[in-house]
Amino acid sequence: NAGVTQTPKFQVLKTGQSMTLQCAQDMNHEYMSWYRQDPGMGLRLIHYSVGAGITDQGEVPNGYNVSRSTTEDFPLRLLSAAPSQTSVYFCASSRAVDQPQHFGDGTRLSIL
Amino acid sequence: QKEVEQDPGPLSVPEGAIVSLNCTYSNSAFQYFMWYRQYSRKGPELLMYTYSSGNKEDGRFTAQVDKSSKYISLFIRDSQPSDSATYLCAMKDNQGGKLIFGQGTELSVKP
Repeated sequence: NAGVTQTPKFQVLKTGQSMTLQCAQDMNHEYMSWYRQDPGMGLRLIHYSVGAGITDQGEVPNGYNVSRSTTEDFPLRLLSAAPSQTSVYFCASSRAVDQPQHFGDGTRLSIL
Repeated sequence: QKEVEQDPGPLSVPEGAIVSLNCTYSNSAFQYFMWYRQYSRKGPELLMYTYSSGNKEDGRFTAQVDKSSKYISLFIRDSQPSDSATYLCAMKDNQGGKLIFGQGTELSVKP
């Protein structure tokens, strides 16, 4: 039981490049979400999903896309990377919306 | 004004001290309250999860929620160097899963 697995752990991009951050969970959790963590800002919700085929926007969704084709996977796509998207990205999952969320160890993304 | 306010610290205490960490919030609809511990270069790890007001104890950790004052606390008894981490409060209402986090308090426990 690996929990929430995020790949890659580190990535450096150039402005304008696109990439996908991967998130997978093996706990059969329905609820999954993406956060970014910036100094002095805490964790902020980007997008979330309450089940396969259902996604919605969080607090800071601009510049990011998500999809949820399976229960296990919830990838986050950066369409055209900007320096303002330099951050640490965390994926989380929970059994249901009202249950506590469990986090992966993050992807550290730097955009030059 | 942020929905959740948390003093970022840093907070430094000697080993064995009682630590008090606090958050205030403005949204009276919040019903679920959590404390996460985050070690450097790791993801947040759930420590305590409470619903509505009251106390909850788990080993050396006690979480308190005072909804009338919109104030939550985490107490750590007999603090250990291994407790050195950033502690994040988080909360949400009963309408969905959107967690709102505090900034986090950096704690250092000195041997």
